[in-house]
Amino acid sequence: GAVVSQHPSWVICKSGTSVKIECRSLDFQATTMFWYRQFPKQSLMLMATSNEGSKATYEQGVEKDKFLINHASLTLSTLTVTSAHPEDSSFYICSAREPGALYEKLFFGSGTQLSVL
Amino acid sequence: GQNIDQPTEMTATEGAIVQINCTYQTSGFNGLFWYQQHAGEAPTFLSYNVLDGLEEKGRFSSFLSRSKGYSYLLLKELQMKDSASYLCAVSTINSGYALNFGKGTSLLVTP
Repeated sequence: GAVVSQHPSWVICKSGTSVKIECRSLDFQATTMFWYRQFPKQSLMLMATSNEGSKATYEQGVEKDKFLINHASLTLSTLTVTSAHPEDSSFYICSAREPGALYEKLFFGSGTQLSVL
Repeated sequence: GQNIDQPTEMTATEGAIVQINCTYQTSGFNGLFWYQQHAGEAPTFLSYNVLDGLEEKGRFSSFLSRSKGYSYLLLKELQMKDSASYLCAVSTINSGYALNFGKGTSLLVTP
């Protein structure tokens, strides 16, 4: 079945540095991918919708300049957390669906645990 | 906006049946999902309801009442490995495949 691969699984970085997270659809082309953030014991909160070949659509309250999304190909979307601070420490997760597939064919990446020191 | 409410925590005994409820308020409803999530892992799909009624898949069943804005996930013959967080998520006509999640119900299965 379709699989979404997310890398890295975890990253520790110093405050002020930038971190890039990759989300790949392995055996299908994804024109749209979604990025979520999850704080401990909280649910997944949609951050943005990544659209291949165009600008991402951000949810209210999510800073576009801080969370840069690039969807340059049909199989790859990247989320860059710029100038990361401790409050950005969270579990980031992406999802994607093969166009035309059933609703249940909405797959999630394995997530990235970001810890900012 | 959307309000999706589900209990924070539940405890049940191995072999028993547990029902996890979810209520929602939304416009343009286009489907309700249930996912299972173990700590630090990706959610895994359990069920999808768009029409009223009960959907059964092995030990898991999900029910939807659109008029009441209500769904439940029923887990039968509980196993220890069912201890996890169960997420209720709603899709709307405008959101498409971008889901809005409830806060999740942490289920603990005890011997």
